[in-house]
Amino acid sequence: QKEVEQNSGPLSVPEGAIASLNCTYSDRGSQSFFWYRQYSGKSPELIMSIYSNGDKEDGRFTAQLNKASQYVSLLIRDSQPSDSATYLCAVNFNKFYFGSGTKLNVKP
Amino acid sequence: DVKVTQSSRYLVKRTGEKVFLECVQDMDHENMFWYRQDPGLGLRLIYFSYDVKMKEKGDIPEGYSVSREKKERFSLILESASTNQTSMYLCASSLTNQPQHFGDGTRLSIL
Repeated sequence: QKEVEQNSGPLSVPEGAIASLNCTYSDRGSQSFFWYRQYSGKSPELIMSIYSNGDKEDGRFTAQLNKASQYVSLLIRDSQPSDSATYLCAVNFNKFYFGSGTKLNVKP
Repeated sequence: DVKVTQSSRYLVKRTGEKVFLECVQDMDHENMFWYRQDPGLGLRLIYFSYDVKMKEKGDIPEGYSVSREKKERFSLILESASTNQTSMYLCASSLTNQPQHFGDGTRLSIL
């Protein structure tokens, strides 16, 4: 079992819809959780950090953490074509672990 | 803002050459990392360092070595480049338990 699991996608949503990206992790001792966005041919860019259970909102992005279920998600409201990218989930428990990423396509 | 600078965006080398990839960060981060990323394989950790002159093997260290003589600089060395080391190489830095920040990457081709 991988430490961090993500559906590889692609996830396709129409412009203006909510995109929901999910991530599960294996270690209950995980302390911090991050979402990165990676455009094709570019390096990952940090977009959200979350450290405690519940929701954290930043503009059109909301990160949700449920430590009991070992689950972290990213919601993108009012999705735009410019949001089309691969989204990487990362989890820190003594060491950083990255998921393999979910490819998101936002169709105009 | 955190700035992680990789010395080259694109690099072409020949099989058997010794290749140096340089990475510099300007935020006094104690942790630095080297990854490679290949289509369908995600990010794979090659080496990381928690302090000057300290290094730890990641998941795929074979064929690579690293050097960290100064806190801000972390170098990746391909001792004898091979075609299967053609890849995108990404350097990152972080404070402990904080997110990693990535450089722009070096796309390395070994011919």
